[in-house]
Amino acid sequence: EAGVTQFPSHSVIEKGQTVTLRCDPISGHDNLYWYRRVMGKEIKFLLHFVKESKQDESGMPNNRFLAERTGGTYSTLKVQPAELEDSGVYFCASSQDPGLAGDTQYFGPGTRLTVL
Amino acid sequence: AQSVTQLGSHVSVSEGALVLLRCNYSSSVPPYLFWYVQYPNQGLQLLLKYTSAATLVKGINGFEAEFKKSETSFHLTKPSAHMSDAAEYFCAVSPTGGGNKLTFGTGTQLKVEL
Repeated sequence: EAGVTQFPSHSVIEKGQTVTLRCDPISGHDNLYWYRRVMGKEIKFLLHFVKESKQDESGMPNNRFLAERTGGTYSTLKVQPAELEDSGVYFCASSQDPGLAGDTQYFGPGTRLTVL
Repeated sequence: AQSVTQLGSHVSVSEGALVLLRCNYSSSVPPYLFWYVQYPNQGLQLLLKYTSAATLVKGINGFEAEFKKSETSFHLTKPSAHMSDAAEYFCAVSPTGGGNKLTFGTGTQLKVEL
């Protein structure tokens, strides 16, 4: 069974440009999460989808970030326009059912975003 | 609000020595607790999790962790380190009431020396 995949693995863009990150969850997982790790800091939650609906977007930094999950399958995270502080590693995770005790989130390898 | 503290951003042990990675949490009620590992160029992989059953939890690759409510701790141990254990380790918590948003510590980089 394929795990969580993310594309691209690396992206280098200039300040002011737009970047779109993609995440494909494990097949059958309705729950999809985005996290971000800025260098030297902890991994921080950005948002949580249940199918195509945003369940919790309390971690989204500002309105330059737009996440979508059309059709409840893959998800995209767009940053427009990118700023220097957006640099970091963006992780995607998926899970089956958060209602289960300690439901496991399976993580992708991350996208390393560098804004110059 | 929940928080996680991992003491020691870098830990170095000799091959065959005990591995001890510390994690303390802050939460109004005992949460679910997780240890994840990230090997170079890979995603985070679940090592083990505590979900209010047995307080001593065994995970993959010989790791285990003990939930101690009185100390609000969930330290990760392995009796004998192997070179392949070199990686970054993350402690995380999530609320027991559902929602499942993970709150992570800052991570501990484990180095294993010959």
